[in-house]
This record gives sequence, C-alpha cells and structure tokens, in this order.
Amino acid sequence: DAGVTQSPTHLIKTRGQQVTLRCSPKSGHDTVSWYQQALGQGPQFIFQYYEEEERQRGNFPDRFSGHQFPNYSSELNVNALLLGDSALYLCASSFPPGRRTYGYTFGSGTRLTVV
Amino acid sequence: AQSVTQLDSQVPVFEEAPVELRCNYSSSVSVYLFWYVQYPNQGLQLLLKYLSGSTLVKGINGFEAEFNKSQTSFHLRKPSVHISDTAEYFCAVSESNSGGSNYKLTFGKGTLLTVNP
Repeated sequence: DAGVTQSPTHLIKTRGQQVTLRCSPKSGHDTVSWYQQALGQGPQFIFQYYEEEERQRGNFPDRFSGHQFPNYSSELNVNALLLGDSALYLCASSFPPGRRTYGYTFGSGTRLTVV
Repeated sequence: AQSVTQLDSQVPVFEEAPVELRCNYSSSVSVYLFWYVQYPNQGLQLLLKYLSGSTLVKGINGFEAEFNKSQTSFHLRKPSVHISDTAEYFCAVSESNSGGSNYKLTFGKGTLLTVNP
C-alpha cells in the first residue's frame, strides 16, 4: 500500500522563477494538504484541497496556489520565487475535514532551494 | 486561532534515561492534540494523538503523553530512551469541529532530542 508520494525530492530554482511540486495521496484518501517547513521551524499550513477545491487556507500570499485533480493528486505552484521560499514542502493526505476518523499521512517532502 | 509552544528547543539526554518534552497550547475552541517525530531528511510520523477519553495516551516506540486541560499542556514522555530516538519532535493541534477531524494542523517549532551513549 503506497503512502504519500511527492516529486521531485529536491530542486533548485532562481529568484523570480516559478515552481510546481506534485503529490499523490495515500490510497483511500481524497484530501490533500500542503505545509511549508522552513529550516529549524515547525511546518506551517498552506492550504487544503478536497473535491478539487481549496477548502482551507493558511496565511500565505497569492503567489502560492494549488490544484487537485480528479484522481485526488495535487500540485502546489509558487510564482515569483523569493529567497525566503526556500524550505521543505510537505504534502499530507487524509479523509475530508469533518470526518470522525482522524488520519493524516505525510510524504517525505520536496526540498526547494531558491538562489 | 490556535498556537503551540514547545518549551525546549533542544533536549540532550543519555541513553536509557527518562525524557519529557514539554508542549503547551492555546485555543478558543476544542482541540485535538498530536505528537509527530521527524528523522533527518524525512517527513513526519505520528507518534500519538489525543482525540477524547483517557487523558493518558500511549503511542508507538514506548512514548506516552498526558493531556492536561487546566494547564493546556500535552507533554511527551518516555521512561528509557534509545540512541535511535534521536530526532526532531513536533507537538501539534487541530480544531475539533463538532467532533470532526482533519482540519489544519498548527505545529510548534519543534524539540531536538539528542540521545547520547
């Protein structure tokens, strides 16, 4: 049973560029959440997708956007990259919010370095 | 809004010693509480969770935590640590909305547990 798969594992981008990160959820999960973990910090919630729509959003600028596909996989897009966007980006899959069954599964993350 | 404070950024201990990692939270609504572990270059693994019921929660790898509502704390303990427990530990909360779960997680800044021989 595959867990959460993220790609790529590492990438380096230049300031001002755009980047797309990808996530495939655990089998049986249909909700995907994205978190940003800066070095030495705890993960911070970016947004959550369910039924191909953004359901919850954290305190991140509009440069951060996402998408969920009919097969439940998801993309995180970041435009106009800043040096401060360098971080580990974690994807977590789960059942939809409001369910009485707790179940987050995290991927291993994508390490983004902006130079 | 919720917030989480992990009171120690680093905790060094010797192998086979007991350890306690402290976590306090703040929230205006009912919450669920979690501890996650992160090994180098890996994602997050759930150690244990408090959803309801007994305030003493047992998790994987011999860890346990106690929910104290009056003190808004959820401290993590292990009676005897191993070298392999060296990792970053994160306390997290999420709102419990009408008993439902899987709302966004708010994490603390983490505690680096280093177990020395």
